[in-house]
Amino acid sequence: AQSVTQLGSHVSVSEGALVLLRCNYSSSVPPYLFWYVQYPNQGLQLLLKYTSAATLVKGINGFEAEFKKSETSFHLTKPSAHMSDAAEYFCAVSPSGGSNYKLTFGKGTLLTVNP
Amino acid sequence: EPEVTQTPSHQVTQMGQEVILRCVPISNHLYFYWYRQILGQKVEFLVSFYNNEISEKSEIFDDQFSVERPDGSNFTLKIRSTKLEDSAMYFCASSRDRDRTGELFFGEGSRLTVL
Repeated sequence: AQSVTQLGSHVSVSEGALVLLRCNYSSSVPPYLFWYVQYPNQGLQLLLKYTSAATLVKGINGFEAEFKKSETSFHLTKPSAHMSDAAEYFCAVSPSGGSNYKLTFGKGTLLTVNP
Repeated sequence: EPEVTQTPSHQVTQMGQEVILRCVPISNHLYFYWYRQILGQKVEFLVSFYNNEISEKSEIFDDQFSVERPDGSNFTLKIRSTKLEDSAMYFCASSRDRDRTGELFFGEGSRLTVL
């Protein structure tokens, strides 16, 4: 069984500041890990994913995440926040042995960016 | 850019009524999914569908739910007799690949309100 915990339902940063969104997972098998973003009135869009290749994964819009097995974490970072980054972010896990996109999501973190 | 489209964007129904939520997946995709998000809760997997049959379903997906691909383009979710607790945002998603090398594309969601 898999589960995801996103620490902080709401994160607020200033424009230009570091963005750090936390995700910890639990998985009985090696996981695949994902970050999705949801802008208002839009669907979920993939930011990046880890599928057992490089542990540091780079995604769209300047985001990256590092898979740390020892900490069971997959935190999302961006060096400098833009106003356009304001959205809800979801971490998700899927068992690597599975064969489809059955994702288990966290509850989401709402990111606000202050001018 | 190809996208998954969902209709209606919002539906209000009375408890006990049947509801059909419609989705048009991306045209060359073969794997189809429904997820839902009850307000304030996690996005949850409901069902996956491939080759005109359900490949996996969650325990949420009971006999009140059914899915169909009636005409080769639409993918529908039917709730036979809605309950208050079915109120949620329902997301359709599709992917070309089974093994998650490709991306899972989500629609914008259909908000269902059961009164």
